[in-house]
Amino acid sequence: DVKVTQSSRYLVKRTGEKVFLECVQDMDHENMFWYRQDPGLGLRLIYFSYDVKMKEKGDIPEGYSVSREKKERFSLILESASTNQTSMYLCASRPLRVSREQYFGPGTRLTVT
Amino acid sequence: AQKITQTQPGMFVQEKEAVTLDCTYDTSDPSYGLFWYKQPSSGEMIFLIYQGSYDQQNATEGRYSLNFQKARKSANLVISASQLGDSAMYFCAMRATGNQFYFGTGTSLTVIP
Repeated sequence: DVKVTQSSRYLVKRTGEKVFLECVQDMDHENMFWYRQDPGLGLRLIYFSYDVKMKEKGDIPEGYSVSREKKERFSLILESASTNQTSMYLCASRPLRVSREQYFGPGTRLTVT
Repeated sequence: AQKITQTQPGMFVQEKEAVTLDCTYDTSDPSYGLFWYKQPSSGEMIFLIYQGSYDQQNATEGRYSLNFQKARKSANLVISASQLGDSAMYFCAMRATGNQFYFGTGTSLTVIP
């Protein structure tokens, strides 16, 4: 079974803090993704990575950065957290084959106070 | 521009009845994939069904079928014989060129006993 894990289910941080969200997958998938999910807005892509050290901006990259030093790990970084970054963050991975779906982690609910 | 539209924020269906969840998409890519995911209240994203743009037949997976009308750019999900456990949020997604995924805003389905 493919497993995508995220470092925390719930996280509370203060405005201005640097926040790291970690995602690890165990199936040697090339592609990894970070989304945020907000009510009424669906899932919006922040960044994705198609291979180690490769990254592409998604629809809402402002205020975020990412790191992929190893194939299995994709980190999302909030350089200086703000209250409008309070959200559910979902990580996903998938293999390169075009018909394959994404596999999602359980999500991290981040609250910035 | 790549876009997924789900126009039904909420739907109700009687147990054992069939229900159709609407999804329209916009892309100029000749090759794309369409996916449906289910998100129960627990939060995990569960893959349901996939349709490739070149697939001639509508995809089916158990009680789920995808009504793919390419000319209309629609990819509606049909759930037959609804069960109480089908109550969840449902997301339509599209994979476009470059392996980016685009999600709709979701439809909340409630199955009434």
